[in-house]
Amino acid sequence: DIQMTQSPSSLSASVGDRVTITCRASQTIMKFLNWYQQKPGEAPKLLIYAASNLQSGVPSRFSGSGSGTEFTLTISSLQPEDFATYYCQQSYSMYSFGQGTNLEIK
Amino acid sequence: QVQLVQSGAEVKKPGASVKVSCKASGYTFTRHAMHWVRQAPGQSLEWVAWINGDNDNTKYSQKLQGRVAITRDTPATTVYLELTSLRSEDTAVYYCARFCSSMACNGGYDVWGQGTMVTVSS
Repeated sequence: DIQMTQSPSSLSASVGDRVTITCRASQTIMKFLNWYQQKPGEAPKLLIYAASNLQSGVPSRFSGSGSGTEFTLTISSLQPEDFATYYCQQSYSMYSFGQGTNLEIK
Repeated sequence: QVQLVQSGAEVKKPGASVKVSCKASGYTFTRHAMHWVRQAPGQSLEWVAWINGDNDNTKYSQKLQGRVAITRDTPATTVYLELTSLRSEDTAVYYCARFCSSMACNGGYDVWGQGTMVTVSS
């Protein structure tokens, strides 16, 4: 099974900050990596697919990069609605998620 | 509009079974695989199973293999997840999610159900 490890597990930031979340795979997954945002009591929402492609309707302040085993999600200028938990997911071999990164207001 | 509507919350005793439904609408049902993902309280997401869009191919989490079954009723555009021999650690919100295989969102889950809370308690 492919293990996905996110860092950090939690992050405090302010509105307007630039933040980066990292996701590492235990083996190569090429670019089969997706990012989701989840708010309390809601289903996850797809932000980025295939490592670097912005899902339709998602603000351009979100971006993704990486390939192989290391990937990043960047939010260029945090907005109040961005405080949530973020998950990476690989779809290269079966499907597995990272443990999540909880983004909190500083 | 495209949506997935799931059945309501369930409370079951250990050893019992549960069957959760996911009704799809607003798109061609057979063009997309459907996956189930669960989330225990305060925990991350865990992939459970998928069923193909236009045939009965299925795949299951190794952890749940033997206790889980995913089926579909194509005329009713509904997918079902059944979990047997329930244990307390099966307590979670169960989500259905549409798998996107087109270039528009390749490999991601672009539409999610609202979630169904399954509680296993004696």
